[in-house]
Amino acid sequence: QSALTQPASVSGSPGQSITISCTGTSSDIGKYNYVSWYQQHPDKAPRLIIYDVVDRPSGVSNRFSGSKSAYTASLTISGLQADDEADYFCSSYASSGTLVFGGGTRLTVL
Amino acid sequence: EVQLVESGGDLVQPGGSRRLSCAASGFTFRNSAMSWVRQAPGKGLEWVSAISANGDSTYYADSVQGRFTISRDNSKSTLYLQMNSLRGGDTASYYCRTHTGGGWGQGTLVTVPS
Repeated sequence: QSALTQPASVSGSPGQSITISCTGTSSDIGKYNYVSWYQQHPDKAPRLIIYDVVDRPSGVSNRFSGSKSAYTASLTISGLQADDEADYFCSSYASSGTLVFGGGTRLTVL
Repeated sequence: EVQLVESGGDLVQPGGSRRLSCAASGFTFRNSAMSWVRQAPGKGLEWVSAISANGDSTYYADSVQGRFTISRDNSKSTLYLQMNSLRGGDTASYYCRTHTGGGWGQGTLVTVPS
């Protein structure tokens, strides 16, 4: 069982927006602004798409955005595209000595 | 731009050892706590180990405690993971990242036959 809770799957149609939630506790997401999100296509390495809750590495589309409220972080993908179909993982800093991860969400573009 | 490049992965027999490296650039490595994260085939991401910026403090997941050692050389901007007593359950792609999350590597694969 993963420390952070994500829905197993979400889906959306091209052009729509979807949001993936990631729920933690007062010891991780609720305490620190160090939430990251990763995108993983089949048989590929995970790719960092959001860090520090809201920041995007260079080269990542601004269609990807992150937010946080209390113990829940969210990843929103706007203008959904076929290539967005992938697995998405969240993670949070939980102390100087550990990180926690979500179990992953499979995004299907209908 | 933050760049992290892992190396050292290979096929290792059960009980064997391997040292992974992670070369960092694009940020002030000596000021950054770092972590290793792994992903077994078809599984999710798992935190493995972390080290403070100056290397004085190290932390390990229960699954690797006593077998893995994390270290760093700030003069070379390089992070290491010494893996001993390897077992089948250690088969995974290993990634380094800044502990707070702003950097992420491309991974290196360690395979330990069961």
